[in-house]
Amino acid sequence: AQTVTQSQPEMSVQEAETVTLSCTYDTSESDYYLFWYKQPPSRQMILVIRQEAYKQQNATENRFSVNFQKAAKSFSLKISDSQLGDAAMYFCAYRNRDDKIIFGKGTRLHILP
Amino acid sequence: KAGVTQTPRYLIKTRGQQVTLSCSPISGHRSVSWYQQTPGQGLQFLFEYFSETQRNKGNFPGRFSGRQFSNSRSEMNVSTLELGDSALYLCASSSWTGRTEAFFGQGTRLTVV
Repeated sequence: AQTVTQSQPEMSVQEAETVTLSCTYDTSESDYYLFWYKQPPSRQMILVIRQEAYKQQNATENRFSVNFQKAAKSFSLKISDSQLGDAAMYFCAYRNRDDKIIFGKGTRLHILP
Repeated sequence: KAGVTQTPRYLIKTRGQQVTLSCSPISGHRSVSWYQQTPGQGLQFLFEYFSETQRNKGNFPGRFSGRQFSNSRSEMNVSTLELGDSALYLCASSSWTGRTEAFFGQGTRLTVV
């Protein structure tokens, strides 16, 4: 069974600085999707970025980028120029061949003004 | 394009009662998944429906059931409510192609007293 591990329950970063959230996963599949979702206090789960496992190039969305290491089964999220609105719970997620999404436990990110 | 709509947003029920939650997916999306979110267990997959058929089911007791209608709207039912069923229930919709990103609703906060 696939598992997703986020080893940092909580992190803080100064506004305008860069922060990296870690995620590792375990799977025997070769084709899958990885995602980072953001859940602010409003509870709405918002897609931040996605990565197809067959693509070697790391995905980038504006200030958000990933470091995808397939062999190491690592999928970290880098947030550049952190803003107050980035404060939220961040979930790393894996979508398997059955289309079930498996989430990590989350990392709560605090932005310090 | 309207997002995923979940109703109601909040519910308070008594132990032993039953409850029905509703989810309207993004227009054109045919896959609807349900997740339970609790502080202790995190986000757990309940089930997924595609074209009115349940394709996947998580590890939840039979008290949890669902269905999908021909317009892709989905309902989730929990019978004989227990205190431990108190949670945020999230619905997500995806296009039919699968293993793509899921778009989430704002959730229904269920409190069982």
